[in-house]
Amino acid sequence: EVVMTQSPLSLPVTLGQPASISCRSSQSLVSSDGNTYLNWFQQRPGQSPRRLIYKVSNRDSGVPDRFSGSGSGTDFTLKISRVEAEDVGVYYCMQGTHSPPWTFGPGTKVDIK
Amino acid sequence: EVQLVESGGNLVQPGGSLRLSCAASGFTFSTYWMSWVRQAPGKGLEWVANIKDDGSAKYYVDSVKGRFTISRDNAKNSLSLQMNSLRAEDTAVYFCAKGTGASHWGQGTLVTVSS
Repeated sequence: EVVMTQSPLSLPVTLGQPASISCRSSQSLVSSDGNTYLNWFQQRPGQSPRRLIYKVSNRDSGVPDRFSGSGSGTDFTLKISRVEAEDVGVYYCMQGTHSPPWTFGPGTKVDIK
Repeated sequence: EVQLVESGGNLVQPGGSLRLSCAASGFTFSTYWMSWVRQAPGKGLEWVANIKDDGSAKYYVDSVKGRFTISRDNAKNSLSLQMNSLRAEDTAVYFCAKGTGASHWGQGTLVTVSS
């Protein structure tokens, strides 16, 4: 089973400032079809998860362009260019390359300083 | 608009059974894999099971194998999770999710296993 780790686990940020979350996998997430199935999800307090990014760097419909994803192989990053109040919540990375099972990272809690 | 609405969560005693349902709309249900993902209180996300678009393949996390059964009715745009021999550690909010990439999620339904 692929193990996903995230850092930091807690991220206090200042409104308007950038934020960055790292996600690492225990093995390469490059699939035999050439794709890398690494997704990012946001879970606001009291809400269900919402996918933000799929296949490393593709933003889902309606996701603000201040969110971006990058990375390759085993190292991935979610960046928020300028944090807004509505960005508070927990962010999870998830791999779908070596599935089943899907595996999620432990989550990074983003809150405002 | 894609909508996923879970139901069936409840308080159940250890060893009991429960059946969860997920009603899907806004997309061609029969062409997508579907999954169940759970979240224990205050914890992270854990994939539970998924099922191929035509129901011909099903996969489970090791901790629920032999106890949970995922199924679907493409004529009714419905996904189900039959949960037997429930344990305290199965207590969680259960979400259904669309597709191999979990593009859309329902609001979840709470299962509490306690005596």
